[in-house]
Amino acid sequence: DAGVIQSPRHEVTEMGQEVTLRCKPISGHDYLFWYRQTMMRGLELLIYFNNNVPIDDSGMPEDRFSAKMPNASFSTLKIQPSEPRDSAVYFCASTKFRDLTPLHFGNGTRLTVT
Amino acid sequence: GESVGLHLPTLSVQEGDNSIINCAYSNSASDYFIWYKQESGKGPQFIIDIRSNMDKRQGQRVTVLLNKTVKHLSLQIAATQPGDSAVYFCAETGDTDKLIFGTGTRLQVFP
Repeated sequence: DAGVIQSPRHEVTEMGQEVTLRCKPISGHDYLFWYRQTMMRGLELLIYFNNNVPIDDSGMPEDRFSAKMPNASFSTLKIQPSEPRDSAVYFCASTKFRDLTPLHFGNGTRLTVT
Repeated sequence: GESVGLHLPTLSVQEGDNSIINCAYSNSASDYFIWYKQESGKGPQFIIDIRSNMDKRQGQRVTVLLNKTVKHLSLQIAATQPGDSAVYFCAETGDTDKLIFGTGTRLQVFP
C-alpha cells in the first residue's frame, strides 16, 4: 500500500499565479479530505468528498480556492490567483469509513507564494 | 511539512520516562476522539482512538483516557523513546464527518 500520494512536495510561485495541488488517495477509500496547516491556525479542514462528491466546502477560504475529484483515484486543489497568505502546508487525507478510522494523511505539499 | 511553530506547548521528558499529553475538547456532542503524531516533514500519523462509550483504551506503549465530564482527553506514552519526539494532536468528531484538530503539543525526548 503506497499510502496517500501528494504532488508536488514543494511549490514556490509568485503572487497572482495559479497553483494546482494533486492527491491520490488510498485505493478503496471513499472519503477524501483537504487540510491546510499553518503556524497561526494549525490544521484546518478545507473541504471533503465522499464517493467523489463534495460534501462540505465550508472551510474553503474564498472563491480563489476550488477542489475537484473527477474520479476515485484523483483530486486537485486549485488556488487562482495565489496570494502570499496562502503559503502553508496542504495535506490530503483519505479513509474508507464514515467513522474516519483511521484517517490516512499524505506527506503534504509545502506551498510558498512570494 | 513543518507542523506548527514556536508557540506550541512543549513537553520535555527524559528517555525512559512516561509522558502524558493533555487535550481539552470543546464539543460535548463529539463521540469519537483520535490522537495523531506528526514528525517533521510528514503528515499526521494515526496513533490510537477512543469512542465516547469508553473511558480508557490501550495500545502498544500508549494509553488514551477520556473524561467526558470535563471534556478532557489524554495520551500516555510509556517508556518514552527518542523516536517519540514529534508534535501530537488530538482530534474529535461528532455528528458530522468532520475531524477537528487541536493545536498540538510538541514532545521532546532527551537522553
